[in-house]
Amino acid sequence: DTEVTQTPKHLVMGMTNKKSLKCEQHMGHRAMYWYKQKAKKPPELMFVYSYEKLSINESVPSRFSPECPNSSLLNLHLHALQPEDSALYLCASSQDWTGGGEQYFGPGTRLTVT
Amino acid sequence: RKEVEQDPGPFNVPEGATVAFNCTYSNSASQSFFWYRQDCRKEPKLLMSVYSSGNEDGRFTAQLNRASQYISLLIRDSKLSDSATYLCVVNSPYNQGGKLIFGQGTELSVKP
Repeated sequence: DTEVTQTPKHLVMGMTNKKSLKCEQHMGHRAMYWYKQKAKKPPELMFVYSYEKLSINESVPSRFSPECPNSSLLNLHLHALQPEDSALYLCASSQDWTGGGEQYFGPGTRLTVT
Repeated sequence: RKEVEQDPGPFNVPEGATVAFNCTYSNSASQSFFWYRQDCRKEPKLLMSVYSSGNEDGRFTAQLNRASQYISLLIRDSKLSDSATYLCVVNSPYNQGGKLIFGQGTELSVKP
């Protein structure tokens, strides 16, 4: 089973709202990732968690706040977003971060900021 | 120079055709290589990992040439369902960030 689940599938939020995206995997993977993808572009890495610790923050604005409550769950808290933050937000997981192995992506949350 | 470069698309081919995608990468220390496919408005899905010896999965064959820093994907007997964007992906070494580096993607459209 290589399933990564994400909720919600779609989210519309105003610039003053606070919302959270959720991601879950039950493959025993120890690395989890958040990516942002705009139309016709490849995914851009935002954050890497390895063994539940934040290992990489790709200079993401503080209005995006990641959290890893346990080894299976990854959240992305959103606050005071801008319309240009509208995109597909993808979660991914891999066996570990250092091994260079395959990453498996969830279906994504399509976010629209109004 | 981009870290991962792919053939520009789109490729428009008839059903049954053989189509080849090429990809080059700039970091000779890269450690692992993949092809992902992405359908419109969906997530990238792992199609194949690519090994130095080359590997085949049904109609799909992937090749890696480390000396030339070149990766290829061959699709034989293409189906309508192969229409998607194909992403060449390279994993940078752990001591250089350990991140997936994506090519821009090549769009394939298979027509009846």
